[in-house]
Amino acid sequence: SQQGEEDPQALSIQEGENATMNCSYKTSINNLQWYRQNSGRGLVHLILIRSNEREKHSGRLRVTLDTSKKSSSLLITASRAADTASYFCATDFGGSNYKLTFGKGTLLTVNP
Amino acid sequence: GAVVSQHPSWVICKSGTSVKIECRSLDFQATTMFWYRQFPKQSLMLMATSNEGSKATYEQGVEKDKFLINHASLTLSTLTVTSAHPEDSSFYICSARGRLTSRDTQYFGPGTRLTVL
Repeated sequence: SQQGEEDPQALSIQEGENATMNCSYKTSINNLQWYRQNSGRGLVHLILIRSNEREKHSGRLRVTLDTSKKSSSLLITASRAADTASYFCATDFGGSNYKLTFGKGTLLTVNP
Repeated sequence: GAVVSQHPSWVICKSGTSVKIECRSLDFQATTMFWYRQFPKQSLMLMATSNEGSKATYEQGVEKDKFLINHASLTLSTLTVTSAHPEDSSFYICSARGRLTSRDTQYFGPGTRLTVL
């Protein structure tokens, strides 16, 4: 399966702490994207990192990509209760339609 | 910018009936739309990809006669679940990418929760 695998499946932290989620995949990618989903809602695009990039930042988010290990990590610094959501990585393996393959997700709970 | 809407947001229907879900790109032309299904506490599974004016491409294991997809215009795609059964109950999410958006980025709708009794 090309599907990405996130770990941990669930993560519970206190407000103010950092949260790190990891994603692994199996074949070469064009890019990797992270999405957030609040319970019962649609997905919100957080950040995209291309295969030739190693690290990207966006506000409190930091994403790294290690293509040799076929893995990525999402770091959320100084977490807030409002960050509570499921986080998914999605890989684009290239191709004309830019299809995404989603990982199983990490459920992050930030306790106030 | 790049807003995608879905209608309805939720629907309850009886077993054996058909349900149509609409996906619209509100402020851009969607050359490609994707339909996903998400079961509770699981990930999104791609069902099909549709390009405007052409037939949808279905993923392996997805019945094209059961899940009819029509991408009739650059702003509208519809998914019809025919003869729905309780096992079709799920969260259906569409996404779109278009000419004026980053080609790598898909913009997701808010989802439609289907419950089949």
